[in-house]
Amino acid sequence: QVQLVQSGAEVKKPGASVKVSCKASGYTFTGDNYHWVRQAPGQGLEWLGRINPNNDGTNYAQKFQGRVTMTSDTSISTAYMELRRLTSDDTAVYYCATSPIWGGHLDSWGQGTLVTVST
Amino acid sequence: DIQMTQSPSTLSASVGDRVTITCRASQSIGNWLAWFQQKPGKAPKPLIYKASILQSGVPSGFSGSGSGTEFTLTISRLRPDDFATYYCQQYNSYPWTFGQGTKVEIK
Repeated sequence: QVQLVQSGAEVKKPGASVKVSCKASGYTFTGDNYHWVRQAPGQGLEWLGRINPNNDGTNYAQKFQGRVTMTSDTSISTAYMELRRLTSDDTAVYYCATSPIWGGHLDSWGQGTLVTVST
Repeated sequence: DIQMTQSPSTLSASVGDRVTITCRASQSIGNWLAWFQQKPGKAPKPLIYKASILQSGVPSGFSGSGSGTEFTLTISRLRPDDFATYYCQQYNSYPWTFGQGTKVEIK
């Protein structure tokens, strides 16, 4: 049974950084790409990017280039997403989700991590 | 970037109704399209992938069709558990993009 467990809620001040983790269990960690999707309050879903844990290859949405970094640690089956220079517009629930390495859709999702940016 | 446009944004319907949601891509995405269902406070749930393949465990009342730039999600007979927001998403090319969502509400 695939399971993705994310780190807990965060409250950050504008200008700070946040790093969210996503620990995978129940399958081979390196068999999937790890994606990050966010959802601002009352809004739709927005894809931030993905990482291939086999080679640390990444693709980021242009909107987040230079501000986001996705990493992974295969020894503990965990993916990370760091977002820097936070503003109030970054207040959202951040989800990790997986897709098969060979290509395919987002088939498993974490429970989400609420990041609140406030003074 | 490929833009995904869903219609309608909101849909009012009754239990037992047949419901259809449309998703249009700004350029051809083949059949690399997924549909998700989301309820308040919950992560999106995969329903359909590759435009028409039902995710394991999803009731057969859901179906998807289309290819290229136009796609549809159909719920044959609405059940109480189906009132939710639905999103389409293309995975033909990066950056992956979502439609804006369609809220199916009780009439």
